[in-house]
Amino acid sequence: DAKTTQPNSMESNEEEPVHLPCNHSTISGTDYIHWYRQLPSQGPEYVIHGLTSNVNNRMASLAIAEDRKSSTLILHRATLRDAAVYYCILRDRGGSNYKLTFGKGTLLTVNP
Amino acid sequence: GAGVSQSPRYKVTKRGQDVALRCDPISGHVSLYWYRQALGQGPEFLTYFNYEAQQDKSGLPNDRFSAERPEGSISTLTIQRTEQRDSAMYRCASSLGGGGSGGTSYEQYFGPGTRLTVT
Repeated sequence: DAKTTQPNSMESNEEEPVHLPCNHSTISGTDYIHWYRQLPSQGPEYVIHGLTSNVNNRMASLAIAEDRKSSTLILHRATLRDAAVYYCILRDRGGSNYKLTFGKGTLLTVNP
Repeated sequence: GAGVSQSPRYKVTKRGQDVALRCDPISGHVSLYWYRQALGQGPEFLTYFNYEAQQDKSGLPNDRFSAERPEGSISTLTIQRTEQRDSAMYRCASSLGGGGSGGTSYEQYFGPGTRLTVT
C-alpha cells in the first residue's frame, strides 16, 4: 500500500475550523483516500473517503489536491468530542483493498 | 442497531496458556477482520474473512495464532501458548462487503476490543 505522511499532533480551539493534512506523494490512480478517527478508549470509526473530487458529509469535508498527492480533512467547527487520533489511509480499488493499513495518525487536541 | 461486540473486554492470562477471543459482527455483514493494536500505534491487520472463508491470514504473527468463522457470523481468534509479547488490544471489525472493485466503498465498523495482558 502507498504510504501516507501526517503530522504527529495538532491543536485547535473549540468551535474553530481544523485542517488536518495528509501527504501521499506515491498515490496510484486507483487509490481511494480514506479517513478514520479513533476517539480515546474506542475503536476506529470511519469519517470520509474520496477519489478525486472534494467530498462532504455530516462529519467533515475532504479536500483533495488536483495532483492527488495530498489531501486535507476539514472539521468545520471543532468540538471537544472531536479530540481523537485521525488516520489517513489509502485503499486500492482493486481486489486486495479489504484491509486498512493504519499509520500513526495525527493526535488532535481540542482546547475549550 | 447493535454494533460489533467483542468478549471478553479484558483478559489476563499467564504465559503459556491458550486464549480465545470472540467477535460478534454487525448482523448481515459479510466481511470480518481482526486487527491488533499496540499502545500508541494504529491497528495492524491480522486476518480477513469473507463469509466463512478465511481469505487472508498474512498478518497473523506466527502459527500460535489462528482464527475461524465457521458459520459466517461469529468469529474466534485463538492464541495458543501465549507469550508476553502477545499483550495488546485485539480489535475486530466488520463490513457489508470486502475486496473487489466495490470494496473501497465499504466502511469498516470496529468493536470495542479485547485488552489482552499476558503475565
